[in-house]
Amino acid sequence: NAGVTQTPKFQVLKTGQSMTLQCAQDMNHNSMYWYRQDPGMGLRLIYYSASEGTTDKGEVPNGYNVSRLNKREFSLRLESAAPSQTSVYFCASSPSRTSSTDTQYFGPGTRLTVL
Amino acid sequence: GESVGLHLPTLSVQEGDNSIINCAYSNSASDYFIWYKQESGKGPQFIIDIRSNMDKRQGQRVTVLLNKTVKHLSLQIAATQPGDSAVYFCAEREAAGNKLTFGGGTRVLVKP
Repeated sequence: NAGVTQTPKFQVLKTGQSMTLQCAQDMNHNSMYWYRQDPGMGLRLIYYSASEGTTDKGEVPNGYNVSRLNKREFSLRLESAAPSQTSVYFCASSPSRTSSTDTQYFGPGTRLTVL
Repeated sequence: GESVGLHLPTLSVQEGDNSIINCAYSNSASDYFIWYKQESGKGPQFIIDIRSNMDKRQGQRVTVLLNKTVKHLSLQIAATQPGDSAVYFCAEREAAGNKLTFGGGTRVLVKP
């Protein structure tokens, strides 16, 4: 049971390039999330998916798109990377769509630098 | 908008002493709170949670206290160890939703 896995671990892009960050979970969780973490700041939600087939915007969705490929996988795509998207990206999952106590479990993160 | 914040950005504590990390929240509709620990280069790791119908919950060496009157959350770590050195985040979830709002984090440094 690997939990939440993310690829790649590190990535350097030039402005305008595109890329997709991959996330997978093997805990049979329904909900999945993408966050970004900038220095000195907490985690900010980019997009989330409450269940397979649904996605919703979070706090900072501009410049990103997501795909909930199946129950296990949730990808984040940057169509045209900008230096402001330099950050550490975390994927997370939680067991149910809505629950009174629904802990999110996080992956190890992807460190992205946009030059 | 609603936000979760922390009072102290850095906390230095002597090994063996108790640590107290504080967090203020502003959304009175929040019904669930979590503390996460993040070590350098790793993702946040769940420590302990508490529902709004409780005011105290204890785990192994950790205790979370919730004061809804003043919208305050704290994490107490007993007998702090070098392995407790990390950044600690509080997070809140609004009732009827599954999105978490995170605070900015407090760095705990344990001195030998």
